[in-house]
Parts: sequence; structure tokens; C-alpha cells
Amino acid sequence: DVQLVESGGALVQPGGSLRLLCAASEVTFSSYAMSWVRLAPGRGLEWVAGISGTGKNTRYADSVKGRFVISRDNSQNTVHLQMNSLRVDDTALYYCAKEACIWDCGYFDFWGRGDLVTVSS
Amino acid sequence: EIVLTQSPGTVSLSPGERATLSCRASQSVDYFLAWYQQKPGQAPRLLISDASSRATGVPDRFSGSGSGTDFTLTISRLEPEDFAVFYCQHYRTSPVTFGGGTRVEF
Repeated sequence: DVQLVESGGALVQPGGSLRLLCAASEVTFSSYAMSWVRLAPGRGLEWVAGISGTGKNTRYADSVKGRFVISRDNSQNTVHLQMNSLRVDDTALYYCAKEACIWDCGYFDFWGRGDLVTVSS
Repeated sequence: EIVLTQSPGTVSLSPGERATLSCRASQSVDYFLAWYQQKPGQAPRLLISDASSRATGVPDRFSGSGSGTDFTLTISRLEPEDFAVFYCQHYRTSPVTFGGGTRVEF
């Protein structure tokens, strides 16, 4: 089975930055789009950002556009989420999720267990 | 963006009973709907895509139906390991969005 493991979550002050990493195994990594999805207390699941298998296409939720950047390194089987200008409402459990195709499938056939990002002063 | 409303928020059932979970979309998503199961401390698990196609390894007691704006996830006979939170998600347009979840509790 595909294994996705997130890391990099931490407590950070408002306005700060953080970089999340997702490491994938057991998969032909460059064949699949990847996304980050978050679960905030009382707010349900929210898709945050997605990147195509080649890395050429990216897409963002309006709530993070201009602040977050998704990237991938297919030689290392990793996906990153650079989060800048963090706000209190970015506090959430961040999941790495694999799509079922190279781009625009839209649903996620494997997920990691998530990593906690807390934005607080 | 398309809003998905799940009902009920919580349902209390016993093993062996049938569970019927609803997901309603604010506009048509055709058949571009998925269902996930999440247990505490675990990753979400894909159950259903394209409204009614079971993912690999998902038992046939799980079934999805519907199209357009109204969808249903049915668990024909609950097993002890089925108690969890279930989410629907559309992928008709960007951004994809999720419902608020239904908790199936014992």
C-alpha cells in the first residue's frame, strides 16, 4: 500500500512561516497529483493546495492563495507546503493526500495521518 | 463554491443494523462525488468514488448511490470496525469541497 508521512508541523506565532513535508513510498510518485487538505477544529475538511504529477500545474484555495506555495521533488518522492504569513485560522491538522491520476482527478485514494500546525501567540 | 451538507450529524446504531447517510450538494455535481471514512487518529480512507464505485479492498456492505445533488452512502450491516466519521466530497469543479461529516456511533 501507499504510505504518506507528513512532518514539519509546529507551534508558530501569527505572521510566521512553516514548511511541511510529505514523504511518499510504494508508489510511482511522478504519475500522481498530490494535495494538502486540512482539518480545523469545528470547521471540517478543507482542501488547501494541489500539484500535478509533473509539478507544472498548481492550484490553491482562495483562503491561502498568495501565502502558501506547494512544490514537489519527484527524485525524492516528496511534496512540500511552504506556509507564510500564517494566521490563527490556519491552525489545523494538515493531511497529505494522493490523487488517483496525474492531474484533475479531484478525489484522494491515499492519505497520510496528518501533522498539526498551531498558530498562536 | 459548492456546499455539501451531510445529515444526520450523528447517528447511533448497533452492529448488524443498516446505516443510511445523506449528502446534499448546493448545485449539481453530476456523479463526481466521493465518500471517506475516518477513525480517530487515523488517515481518512477512500470508500467510494464517482458516486457508486467502491475503492479497492472496500467491503461490499458499503454502497453509494445518487447523482446531481442528492447522494447516499449505505452500510448494509454495520460491523464493529465501521463506527467512524464519514465525509462526502465533490470534485465536479475547483475548489473541491467536503461535507461536515456524519458520525456513526455505537
